[in-house]
Amino acid sequence: GAGVSQSPSNKVTEKGKDVELRCDPISGHTALYWYRQSLGQGLEFLIYFQGNSAPDKSGLPSDRFSAERTGGSVSTLTIQRTQQEDSAVYLCASSPVSTNTGELFFGEGSRLTVL
Amino acid sequence: GENVEQHPSTLSVQEGDSAVIKCTYSDSASNYFPWYKQELGKRPQLIIDIRSNVGEKKDQRIAVTLNKTAKHFSLHITETQPEDSAVYFCAATDSWGKFQFGAGTQVVVTP
Repeated sequence: GAGVSQSPSNKVTEKGKDVELRCDPISGHTALYWYRQSLGQGLEFLIYFQGNSAPDKSGLPSDRFSAERTGGSVSTLTIQRTQQEDSAVYLCASSPVSTNTGELFFGEGSRLTVL
Repeated sequence: GENVEQHPSTLSVQEGDSAVIKCTYSDSASNYFPWYKQELGKRPQLIIDIRSNVGEKKDQRIAVTLNKTAKHFSLHITETQPEDSAVYFCAATDSWGKFQFGAGTQVVVTP
């Protein structure tokens, strides 16, 4: 596709349910990042991938959060047993280079609301 | 890991005046410093970036300066216009390639 695609764009769920967020990066981009943005707040780093491996998972808030990337392309972020504090916009970004000096292209985000 | 601090958190300027946003970083190995603009309800987009081998870079009304010794970098917007109103984020990449963002600056340009 022309840009980073995220789905769903909006997700409302009940506390305790599991959710899965999907990111489809720009074709050929080797690096993929997940960030969380709460209302009016900054960009909180969650995890990033170089290819299929995740060099840094330190940003994942708890063991309820996990992410994977297969085939060096699509990534899924899974939140188990959702809590109200998980409500936020989850942004995915990809970069065309495997070094740390490339532009990040962001998706539109997935807005998660936990009731 | 890298820690990026950004100031001010909000900035109100009169149209036509200049705006300056400052960031500091902690990891001396960081070598790439981009700035992103996020308009309300939209995705962040890159507006300018600078690498560690350069001290200053300019693109029309925006410029970025980098002081590696002091580990700080700044965004300068001249002749501000209403469409410059947005949240601006600075970032630094550490030696592992992780983009660490500042907390953001809400810029409001009043006519």
